[in-house]
Amino acid sequence: EVQVLESGGGLVQSGGSLRLSCAASGFTFSNYAMNWVRQAPGKGLEWVSTISGSGAYYADSVKGRLTISRDNSKNTVYLQMNSLRAADTAVYYCAKSFSGWYSFDYWGQGTLVTVSS
Amino acid sequence: EIVLTQSPGTLSLSPGERATLSCRASQSVNNNYLAWYQQKPGQAPRLLIYGASSRATGIPDRFSGSGSGTDFTLTISRLEPEDFAVYYCQQFGSSPRYAFGQGTKLDIK
Repeated sequence: EVQVLESGGGLVQSGGSLRLSCAASGFTFSNYAMNWVRQAPGKGLEWVSTISGSGAYYADSVKGRLTISRDNSKNTVYLQMNSLRAADTAVYYCAKSFSGWYSFDYWGQGTLVTVSS
Repeated sequence: EIVLTQSPGTLSLSPGERATLSCRASQSVNNNYLAWYQQKPGQAPRLLIYGASSRATGIPDRFSGSGSGTDFTLTISRLEPEDFAVYYCQQFGSSPRYAFGQGTKLDIK
């Protein structure tokens, strides 16, 4: 059974840093791209970042402040978040890529990041 | 930059009725890499449709996707009580790499 579990969210002051983790199981982790998608309170979904064999990709809104990485030996993907702003307040979801179809087939339950000003 | 516009913003229907949700892209979607998701309150999104028209694993056949190019549709043939939720379309492109529509809320009339 595929499982995806995020951790590391919390309350941080504006300008601060946080690192999110996403532990995955039930599939061959190294074979799949992994993604972060966020949802601000009461708002829609926003793609944040993807890491795949071809590299790392970012939304313009987070480029230069957020960094995605992965450790295939631990089946874990990370999101290092620096220079946080109030606009980064959201539930952050980790999602597995559906290989070949550029969509997201398994999602975690999300971790809440709150940036206070 | 591709922008996805979903309509209507809210759709009010009764169980048993047919629901038709629209997603329009500002540019042609690459190889019809268009997906639909369902999200219920307090839950993560769930993949319903990928490649514009293929149902994901375990998705009932009352859900169907159609369309190509810039115009896509999600149809729910006969609404069940558990289908009332928010629905998002999502595309794969170059800039941004992925984008979501703003969502359609399907609520009970």
